[in-house]
Amino acid sequence: DTGVSQDPRHKITKRGQNVTFRCDPISEHNRLYWYRQTLGQGPEFLTYFQNEAQLEKSRLLSDRFSAERPKGSFSTLEIQRTEQGDSAMYLCASSRGLAGGRDTQYFGPGTRLTVL
Amino acid sequence: AQSVTQPDIHITVSEGASLELRCNYSYGATPYLFWYVQSPGQGLQLLLKYFSGDTLVQGIKGFEAEFKRSQSSFNLRKPSVHWSDAAEYFCAVPQGGTGRRALTFGSGTRLQVQP
Repeated sequence: DTGVSQDPRHKITKRGQNVTFRCDPISEHNRLYWYRQTLGQGPEFLTYFQNEAQLEKSRLLSDRFSAERPKGSFSTLEIQRTEQGDSAMYLCASSRGLAGGRDTQYFGPGTRLTVL
Repeated sequence: AQSVTQPDIHITVSEGASLELRCNYSYGATPYLFWYVQSPGQGLQLLLKYFSGDTLVQGIKGFEAEFKRSQSSFNLRKPSVHWSDAAEYFCAVPQGGTGRRALTFGSGTRLQVQP
């Protein structure tokens, strides 16, 4: 296992710009998750994929956010027209897809977004 | 929905001292529970997990946690803390419900280690 990787690790952008983040899960993990973490808080769930299908989205995922996993491998998270409130750490995780709550999620290093 | 509470925002211990970080869960049945650690500016690393069976769970880096149904707790312990253990610790539980796979995290406990 090479672990979950994310790119870039840091992104600074100006308000109103679009940004895209990439996540590469652990190979053979069929579930992929995106979380957002603001300073001093625990991660909050955004969305998850089972293979290429996006199966759940939280209400935190506004219309400006879109996520894809076109071939069931890597995933991208795009934020359009960024706002200062989007500044956060964006974390990706993957899991094997075991039944019920036994599925264990492994996290990447995160992408730190700063919106000026 | 299932949830976890970490009552301690910040804890300071001396190097070599024992450590206990508290986590309380809210769920009627036996939950699945996780502890993760996050170093500054880094992602989360899984320390240990509880699914069922033995209520004392061993994890990496010398950590252990004990599931206590009577107290709705899953506290993390380490007998002797090292300076490298300074980090933020999160307890987590699956949200539960049909088709829901996300984890719900506590607000975290920041551990500071004094020399």
